[in-house]
Amino acid sequence: DAMVIQNPRYQVTQFGKPVTLSCSQTLNHNVMYWYQQKSSQAPKLLFHYYDKDFNNEADTPDNFQSRRPNTSFCFLDIRSPGLGDAAMYLCATISEGGGQYFGAGTRLSVL
Amino acid sequence: QKEVEQNSGPLSVPEGAIASLNCTYSDRGSQSFFWYRQYSGKSPELIMFIYSNGDKEDGRFTAQLNKASQYVSLLIRDSQPSDSATYLCAVNMPGGYQKVTFGTGTKLQVIP
Repeated sequence: DAMVIQNPRYQVTQFGKPVTLSCSQTLNHNVMYWYQQKSSQAPKLLFHYYDKDFNNEADTPDNFQSRRPNTSFCFLDIRSPGLGDAAMYLCATISEGGGQYFGAGTRLSVL
Repeated sequence: QKEVEQNSGPLSVPEGAIASLNCTYSDRGSQSFFWYRQYSGKSPELIMFIYSNGDKEDGRFTAQLNKASQYVSLLIRDSQPSDSATYLCAVNMPGGYQKVTFGTGTKLQVIP
C-alpha cells in the first residue's frame, strides 16, 4: 500500500489560476517535503516541515505557499501559476536510513 | 561548483554487464549518501544508502563511498533491461532536518 499519496496525479490549470496540490502520509512521520522537478533536472526542494515548523528554501518563489494542518496532510498552493511552473511536484517523507520516500507525484500543466 | 555532480549520460551497457555510476559532492561535512532510481515519468525510489567509507552491498547493487575523495558510486551487477532508468545521487546537507541535495542524475540504458 502506498504510504505517501498525492492527489491529483495530473492537474491542468490556466495561467494565473490558483491551484492546490495535496499529499497525505500513513507513516505518521513528523517530517514532510515538497519538491519541484522539471524534465531532466534534479528534484528541487521547495519547503520542508518538521512537525509544524515550516522551512522555506531561500530561492522558493513567493508564489508558492504550503500548509500542514496535521501530521498526515500537507498542501502546496500555487497562487498564480505561470508557464514556468509546469513540472512534476513531489511530496516526500522520511524513509529508512534518512532518505526520502516519495509519493507518485502530481504532474502540473499550465495552459 | 555544483554541490552534487553526476555525468548525465546516457550510459549504455549490455545486458549482464556491470554498470558503474559515479557521483561527486562538494560539502565535506556531508554524512549520508543515497541512490535513487527514477523511471521516466515516475517518482524517485530509494534503492541504497551509505554512511561509512567502503562498500555496501544489497543484492545486485553495491554502493561505494570515499569521503576523502568526496566520491560515491553505485555498481549494478548483472544489469537487466528493467534497470534502464535515471539514477539520482543525493547527499545530506548538514544543518537541516534530513535535507538532501540531488544530482541531476545519470541515465542508464541496458541493451538486451
